[in-house]
Amino acid sequence: AQTVTQSQPEMSVQEAETVTLSCTYDTSESNYYLFWYKQPPSRQMILVIRQEAYKQQNATENRFSVNFQKAAKSFSLKISDSQLGDTAMYFCAFMSGGANAGKSTFGDGTTLTVKP
Amino acid sequence: DTAVSQTPKYLVTQMGNDKSIKCEQNLGHDTMYWYKQDSKKFLKIMFSYNNKELIINETVPNRFSPKSPDKAHLNLHINSLELGDSAVYFCASSSPPGPNYGYTFGSGTRLTVV
Repeated sequence: AQTVTQSQPEMSVQEAETVTLSCTYDTSESNYYLFWYKQPPSRQMILVIRQEAYKQQNATENRFSVNFQKAAKSFSLKISDSQLGDTAMYFCAFMSGGANAGKSTFGDGTTLTVKP
Repeated sequence: DTAVSQTPKYLVTQMGNDKSIKCEQNLGHDTMYWYKQDSKKFLKIMFSYNNKELIINETVPNRFSPKSPDKAHLNLHINSLELGDSAVYFCASSSPPGPNYGYTFGSGTRLTVV
């Protein structure tokens, strides 16, 4: 079974600064995907960024980028130029790409507060 | 156009009642899911359907029964509601593994059992 661990329950950052959220995972699978989802106070779950495990290049989406260390099973999210609208709970998630495709394992979440 | 829509957004009901939550997606995805998010914000999968067929059925009380009349719809019926069923229930859909893999979530249904 897969596990996903987010060791930082809460974090805060000043507006315009950079923050990194940590995530580690454990799996014996070779074909998988990793994701970061954002859940603002509105409750809506939004996919922020995805990383395919077989790709060595780290994924980026505008101000969001990941540091994917496959051997260390680490998948951190970096948010640059933090904005007030980034205040949300962030979930790291693992999803199999093989026989168990579809089922996702989520971390417990990190609550990020961006301060003005 | 809303990609994954759930109704209702809020549901307050008494213990012992039966209620349903509806979900529809217009993304053409084959796979749909129900997730439960508890008061501590932990997300846990309940069910998954692929093209109307049940493929994931986690350890969930049999008071919960999903139904998928077609691949665009996945409903959740809950019998004999209990206080512990209070949570936010999310519907989601996904395409097969590939460059667009990942969940598209509905806006959630906050269920409160009193």
